[in-house]
Amino acid sequence: NAGVTQTPKFRILKIGQSMTLQCTQDMNHNYMYWYRQDPGMGLKLIYYSVGAGITDKGEVPNGYNVSRSTTEDFPLRLLSAAPSQTSVYFCASSPRDRVYEQYFGPGTRLTVT
Amino acid sequence: EDQVTQSPEALRLQEGESSSLNCSYTVSGLRGLFWYRQDPGKGPEFLFTLYSAGEEKEKERLKATLTKKESFLHITAPKPEDSATYLCAVQAGTNAGKSTFGDGTTLTVKP
Repeated sequence: NAGVTQTPKFRILKIGQSMTLQCTQDMNHNYMYWYRQDPGMGLKLIYYSVGAGITDKGEVPNGYNVSRSTTEDFPLRLLSAAPSQTSVYFCASSPRDRVYEQYFGPGTRLTVT
Repeated sequence: EDQVTQSPEALRLQEGESSSLNCSYTVSGLRGLFWYRQDPGKGPEFLFTLYSAGEEKEKERLKATLTKKESFLHITAPKPEDSATYLCAVQAGTNAGKSTFGDGTTLTVKP
């Protein structure tokens, strides 16, 4: 049981480039989330999903896109990288009956230069 | 708009010196308040969920309490391995899944 896995661990992008951050969970959780965490700050919700085929915006969705075609996978796409998107990105999941109990992945550290 | 404020930003304790972390919140229709622990370079790890005022939860040296305006995370006789950033978050209203996090309190316990 690997839990929540994220790839890549680190990435450096040039301004204007696009990329996809991968997230997979093997716990059969219905809910999945993407957060960003800037240095010394808490987590900001980007997008979340309550099940396959259903996604919704969080607090800071601009510049990002998501899809949820399967229960296991929830990729996050950066459309055109900007320096303001330099951050650590965390994916998380939670079961339907304990929705507040979120399990987090190890994070992806992204730098945009 | 939901707001969560944690204090202090940083707390340094000697091993065995008990203290409390504060999380104050302003929400409309609290569904739950939760505490997470985050070690450097890692994702947060779930600790507790509190649902209603007066509720308490305990885990080893940690005890979380909830009132109508704030939550406290009490740390009794801390050890160096309790050093971490502690995050508080809330969910409110009708959108299950939308969480608002505070900026965290970084706890350092010196031996």
